[in-house]
Amino acid sequence: TAGITQAPTSQILAAGRSMTLRCTQDMRHNAMYWYRQDLGLGLRLIHYSNTAGTTGKGEVPDGYSVSRANTDDFPLTLASAVPSQTSVYFCASSREAYNEQFFGPGTRLTVL
Amino acid sequence: RKEVEQDPGPFNVPEGATVAFNCTYSNSASQSFFWYRQDCRKEPKLLMSVYSSGNEDGRFTAQLNRASQYISLLIRDSKLSDSATYLCVGGILTGGGNKLTFGTGTQLKVEL
Repeated sequence: TAGITQAPTSQILAAGRSMTLRCTQDMRHNAMYWYRQDLGLGLRLIHYSNTAGTTGKGEVPDGYSVSRANTDDFPLTLASAVPSQTSVYFCASSREAYNEQFFGPGTRLTVL
Repeated sequence: RKEVEQDPGPFNVPEGATVAFNCTYSNSASQSFFWYRQDCRKEPKLLMSVYSSGNEDGRFTAQLNRASQYISLLIRDSKLSDSATYLCVGGILTGGGNKLTFGTGTQLKVEL
């Protein structure tokens, strides 16, 4: 079972460019999440989706957008990247919104 | 004050030792608690949920003290493979789902 996959594994991006980080899960989980992890700050929630067709803002949503067209996919888009968006991005999912969350392998993004 | 606080460590212990981590949370509305383990440059992996009555999973024991707002993780008979960062997590169930707040982690190094 693949679980949660993320792509790309890592990326270097020029400031001002746009990028979509991909996340796919095959566990038929209803809820999905995007976090960023920065040294000394821990994991912070960017956006979440409790079920297909719905999304919500987390703690640090500015500069990011998401969509949830189906159960399996939850892409994260940076419309115009800035250096402060350099981070490790983790996608996660849970069976329902109140269950334990399981994480994908992460995407290391560097914005120059 | 951070919502979830942990001693960052590192805790350096010999193989076979017993080690305990504490974590405090500031939001009394927190309803669910977890310990995650994160290896260097990898995704967080669920170690165990923490129940009000305390729970044990092999060498790992988790306790919750709601009155003092802290949770603990006890690792008995430490193995080299236990070396990792342990993340304390508190969750609040809201209309937007289960909002998880992650601590910044406690680093454990188990040595020969």
